[in-house]
Amino acid sequence: AQSVTQLGSHVSVSEGALVLLRCNYSSSVPPYLFWYVQYPNQGLQLLLKYTTGATLVKGINGFEAEFKKSETSFHLTKPSAHMSDAAEYFCAVTGGYQKVTFGTGTKLQVIP
Amino acid sequence: NAGVTQTPKFQVLKTGQSMTLQCAQDMNHEYMSWYRQDPGMGLRLIHYSVGAGITDQGEVPNGYNVSRSTTEDFPLRLLSAAPSQTSVYFCASSSTGNSGNTIYFGEGSWLTVV
Repeated sequence: AQSVTQLGSHVSVSEGALVLLRCNYSSSVPPYLFWYVQYPNQGLQLLLKYTTGATLVKGINGFEAEFKKSETSFHLTKPSAHMSDAAEYFCAVTGGYQKVTFGTGTKLQVIP
Repeated sequence: NAGVTQTPKFQVLKTGQSMTLQCAQDMNHEYMSWYRQDPGMGLRLIHYSVGAGITDQGEVPNGYNVSRSTTEDFPLRLLSAAPSQTSVYFCASSSTGNSGNTIYFGEGSWLTVV
């Protein structure tokens, strides 16, 4: 069994401020972890993923995430928020054959 | 490269009507799936397929039917629409063999059942 918990359904940051979106997971097997972004009225697109190897993963648009096994976390960060980062972000985990479990999403608002 | 294509993008149905959401991918992916997205609930898996002729139920399969006659197509059928099926539906695909493979999503289909 696997699950994902995203803390905070809405997060607001000022333009230029640090973005931190939290994700905790549970998995009975070594997990693969993903962050997807959804812009209004669009599908989801991959930001970054952790499969094996380096625990700090860099993705598109300046985002990165760190896999911390001891904390069962995979938080998403970006040093400086941009207006174009406003979107909904989904954390996801798969520990089995293509069965992906998504979190409930976090809407990021960027304040000018 | 079109990726994952869903049609229609918007649809309004009356309770009890049936319809099919079409999904096609041109990436030769074995794995295809349908999700529904509802506010505050993330994406929930409806049905999935690991290859032509093979389908299985996801988390919320009731009221939906699927088939996979070709690698490219994976239609989702609503047999008798209910207001509870008002949602945004996403088709997705990925290659198999590695659970870390990226899932590619379609643009979504907005369905309203009145």
